[in-house]
Amino acid sequence: DAGVTQSPTHLIKTRGQHVTLRCSPISGHKSVSWYQQVLGQGPQFIFQYYEKEERGRGNFPDRFSARQFPNYSSELNVNALLLGDSALYLCASSSVDGSQYFGPGTRLTVL
Amino acid sequence: QKEVEQDPGPLSVPEGAIVSLNCTYSNSAFQYFMWYRQYSRKGPELLMYTYSSGNKEDGRFTAQVDKSSKYISLFIRDSQPSDSATYLCAMMDSSYKLIFGSGTRLLVRP
Repeated sequence: DAGVTQSPTHLIKTRGQHVTLRCSPISGHKSVSWYQQVLGQGPQFIFQYYEKEERGRGNFPDRFSARQFPNYSSELNVNALLLGDSALYLCASSSVDGSQYFGPGTRLTVL
Repeated sequence: QKEVEQDPGPLSVPEGAIVSLNCTYSNSAFQYFMWYRQYSRKGPELLMYTYSSGNKEDGRFTAQVDKSSKYISLFIRDSQPSDSATYLCAMMDSSYKLIFGSGTRLLVRP
């Protein structure tokens, strides 16, 4: 079975632009979470979706938004990009026991 | 004070050594405890998942949880150069939101 997939792998944007990151969970997993990881730190929680409903939101500004589709895939959108948004964005899908499996991430660079 | 504290290292050990990695936490609501391994510029890989005090073993890895002391450990036996990576502890309460430590960088020297 395929693991969590994310696209694109890398992305370069300029300040003020917006970006959409995509994630497909492991087959059978209905929950998807998004995390931001800056260099030298652990991932920080952004959102969690379960059955297309937002189940949790971390301490991120309203420029960050997400949604989950009927096939359980998900998008993370970031508007009005800032230099500080440069990071590795990770998607994780959850099994029924709560364990979370991460994808390879999307590396976003904001210039 | 951070909710989860983890020594950033780096921790350098010779091949074959037993490695001990540790995290402390402050939130007594944490019920689930995970260890992830992350290679440079890759996504974290789930190594161990526990939800009770005590030990859990999987191959060369043993996870230990002491809820009374708010302290968790990961032991790696017979360490290999391929174990060189950053190890992240993570914890979760009933909200299913993972709270991570900052990660410990491990280097296993051949």
